[in-house]
Amino acid sequence: SQQGEEDPQALSIQEGENATMNCSYKTSINNLQWYRQNSGRGLVHLILIRSNEREKHSGRLRVTLDTSKKSSSLLITASRAADTASYFCATDDGGSEKLVFGKGTKLTVNP
Amino acid sequence: GAVVSQHPSRVICKSGTSVKIECRSLDFQATTMFWYRQFPKQSLMLMATSNEGSKATYEQGVEKDKFLINHASLTLSTLTVTSAHPEDSSFYICSALGPQNEKLFFGSGTQLSVL
Repeated sequence: SQQGEEDPQALSIQEGENATMNCSYKTSINNLQWYRQNSGRGLVHLILIRSNEREKHSGRLRVTLDTSKKSSSLLITASRAADTASYFCATDDGGSEKLVFGKGTKLTVNP
Repeated sequence: GAVVSQHPSRVICKSGTSVKIECRSLDFQATTMFWYRQFPKQSLMLMATSNEGSKATYEQGVEKDKFLINHASLTLSTLTVTSAHPEDSSFYICSALGPQNEKLFFGSGTQLSVL
């Protein structure tokens, strides 16, 4: 069943601006992950945040997790044209090995 | 990092034929692999979980006789689309559970077009 739901569905910004994407989920989780997909390609793992963590950084990426609201956000700072891609959140569906992916946010960074 | 290779990247076939897609973990052993299907501008739909040495677990609504999955070794899982029809045209992606059993490492996907 679909668990994560990203918001917005599409986002278009200028290079140098920050991009924020949100994800909501429904059931309890052990961790939440964000993935990136370039058009017509497989997904690449970006960052994993555990249920007992509230914030995590990796380079220009910042992820927050609010388990009380069952939501997460992905912030990309100082965006570049190369960041143009679709971004998906994924949850572990109550601790199972399966990841359930949201519908994704299509990010376009204009040069 | 862990690398997953998926082949072929694109295949065009006639209706009624069968197509095999391979997914290999190149530098780690993958006891668990997953097969997804993705329609344009949509999310990934999990089709089945492939476990090495045992039968695949299919998601509800996925025909196991239509989509044959074999995971005979710790580095290779295959998906065979049998008697393909135009409605099977889609982007198929495999992934493998990484060494720490948390992150997924994805193949580059296979675009299947059935004429």
